[in-house]
Amino acid sequence: EVQLVEAGGGLVQPGGSLRLSCAASGFSFSGYWMHWVRQAPGEGLVWVSHINGDGSTTNYAGSVKGRFTISRDNAKNTVYLQMNSLGAEDTALYYCSRDPYSASAYWGQGTLVTVSS
Amino acid sequence: QSVLTQPPSASGTPGQRVTISCSGSSSNIGSHSIYWYQHLPGTAPRLVIYESNQRPSGVPDRFSGSKSGTSASLAISGLRSEDEADYYCSTWDDSLNAGVFGGGTKVTVL
Repeated sequence: EVQLVEAGGGLVQPGGSLRLSCAASGFSFSGYWMHWVRQAPGEGLVWVSHINGDGSTTNYAGSVKGRFTISRDNAKNTVYLQMNSLGAEDTALYYCSRDPYSASAYWGQGTLVTVSS
Repeated sequence: QSVLTQPPSASGTPGQRVTISCSGSSSNIGSHSIYWYQHLPGTAPRLVIYESNQRPSGVPDRFSGSKSGTSASLAISGLRSEDEADYYCSTWDDSLNAGVFGGGTKVTVL
């Protein structure tokens, strides 16, 4: 059974940092692009970043470029999102997704990030 | 403001047909397949249409998708109460080099 379990969310002060993780199981992890998508309270889904199977290619939404870094450890079947210089606009539920632009798309339940003083 | 444009809401009575539009440009819908997601806030989004008009296994054939030029649409026929949810269109954008979503359409079953 495919599983994606996000972790690492929580309350952080403005300007702070947080590292999210997404542990995958039930499929050949290194064979898939992995994405992060977020949803701010009362707002819609917004694409954040993605990384290819061997970690050599990454892309970011303009709103997070230079502040967020996506990475993966295929030995641990885990993808990460390092988030720095966090602001109130980054408050959201962060979802990890296996290749959402394919027939084999699969999503986790999300981890909540709250940026507040 | 989302790159892909969807109506904020749509509604119908049980058994009716509801159609949701998704408008984009040549750099996104015009160049790539569209993916449609059903979403209840706080839960994992569910893929209901991939490659513009294909249904994943387990998705009822009441759901159908189409694409023409820089626009796409999702139709739900024989509307049922369990279809109440937010629906998002999504694809890749070559100009932004990023994924893009529509703003979402809330479907209400009256």
